[in-house]
Amino acid sequence: DQQVKQNSPSLSVQEGRISILNCDYTNSMFDYFLWYKKYPAEGPTFLISISSIKDKNEDGRFTVFLNKSAKHLSLHIVPSQPGDSAVYFCAAREGGGGNKLTFGTGTQLKVEL
Amino acid sequence: GAVVSQHPSRVICKSGTSVKIECRSLDFQATTMFWYRQFPKKSLMLMATSNEGSKATYEQGVEKDKFLINHASLTLSTLTVTSAHPEDSSFYICSARLAGVNNEQFFGPGTRLTVL
Repeated sequence: DQQVKQNSPSLSVQEGRISILNCDYTNSMFDYFLWYKKYPAEGPTFLISISSIKDKNEDGRFTVFLNKSAKHLSLHIVPSQPGDSAVYFCAAREGGGGNKLTFGTGTQLKVEL
Repeated sequence: GAVVSQHPSRVICKSGTSVKIECRSLDFQATTMFWYRQFPKKSLMLMATSNEGSKATYEQGVEKDKFLINHASLTLSTLTVTSAHPEDSSFYICSARLAGVNNEQFFGPGTRLTVL
């Protein structure tokens, strides 16, 4: 049962344009969400997170939007740069101070010149 | 800060042998570390939660006798794949939890295990 889903396995965007990566979840107990970036043969690196009490969090070129009613979140990267090309995972954590992260299947982003 | 290392980065072994993978938090103490496994083009699947000084908590479907976890200190956790078989070939990633407001997890670079 995939509780966190990233339905687009890949996305291609031109340099300078906006990249929008989507993530849906089914578990209403999730209250904290994170986005990670991963290069091949490396571990994920943290990008940005959002608590369920917010609907938007921004950090430089990265903005995460959360729509709790739709159980949907998205990561916006603008402007996109070639170095952003990587696999992006969204992850979710249940409330109550638990540590377990549930990951989506990832979206391969390719930023083209 | 918050650097996590893994050793080895890549290992090839024969079927039936055991392989130990180390996960270290280099600049912080981690009471909790996590072990994940990633199959090609798949998500990271949590295998177990490793707590310093106590037994690890395994996720459903993960054989605790096959994947031995030891968290002997606040900076080191080890995963031993016992009697490895080709189906154990995978990318194993650890993470260490930095205690704080959001209990951030920092990931190691991963270990590619190939069992012949």
